Amino acid sequence: EDQVTQSPEALRLQEGESSSLNCSYTVSGLRGLFWYRQDPGKGPEFLFTLYSAGEEKEKERLKATLTKKESFLHITAPKPEDSATYLCAVQAPLRSNYQLIWGAGTKLIIKP
Amino acid sequence: NAGVMQNPRHLVRRRGQEARLRCSPMKGHSHVYWYRQLPEEGLKFMVYLQKENIIDESGMPKERFSAEFPKEGPSILRIQQVVRGDSAAYFCASSQTPGETQYFGPGTRLLVL
Repeated sequence: EDQVTQSPEALRLQEGESSSLNCSYTVSGLRGLFWYRQDPGKGPEFLFTLYSAGEEKEKERLKATLTKKESFLHITAPKPEDSATYLCAVQAPLRSNYQLIWGAGTKLIIKP
Repeated sequence: NAGVMQNPRHLVRRRGQEARLRCSPMKGHSHVYWYRQLPEEGLKFMVYLQKENIIDESGMPKERFSAEFPKEGPSILRIQQVVRGDSAAYFCASSQTPGETQYFGPGTRLLVL
């Protein structure tokens, strides 16, 4: 069964303390993997799309990487404003070319 | 450059009433997706629409729920005879083509009393 698992469920870091969030997936024929950020009471905000193993993308303090079984969202020297829930979703064409399978998210809290 | 717009942002209904949620996609996007999110859970796909067509409603309950995306105007998700279990955040997303990145609106938070 197609599945996306994110870990940890929650992560508390001090400001400036770098870490990584994990998104592991079991899908048949990955077409794309998406990272979103969601603030309380708001909709998911798009961050990155990764298509193939070995691909990396960066934006400010965030860097997303992809292997054949998982993706990591690395956060370097985070600031309190990076606190949010980070969501991972995968697109599996054998299911459809548009339907996303979502993880439950990692709640990131950065303490000043 | 307006993003995806949803209204109302908050909606309170009593059991048995109807709820209508509206979504206007990003400019230039003709593909709309509706999702439901329960607290501490991931997003669940409900329905995918193009203008005047329902493409995939496999995630939507067969009873009480319906969706449309008319030629003119916003997409509407309609829930008839709401029950307490319908309380959730409902998000709309849009994309330019079916496989491309989906951009989300701010959501409608439905509370059923």
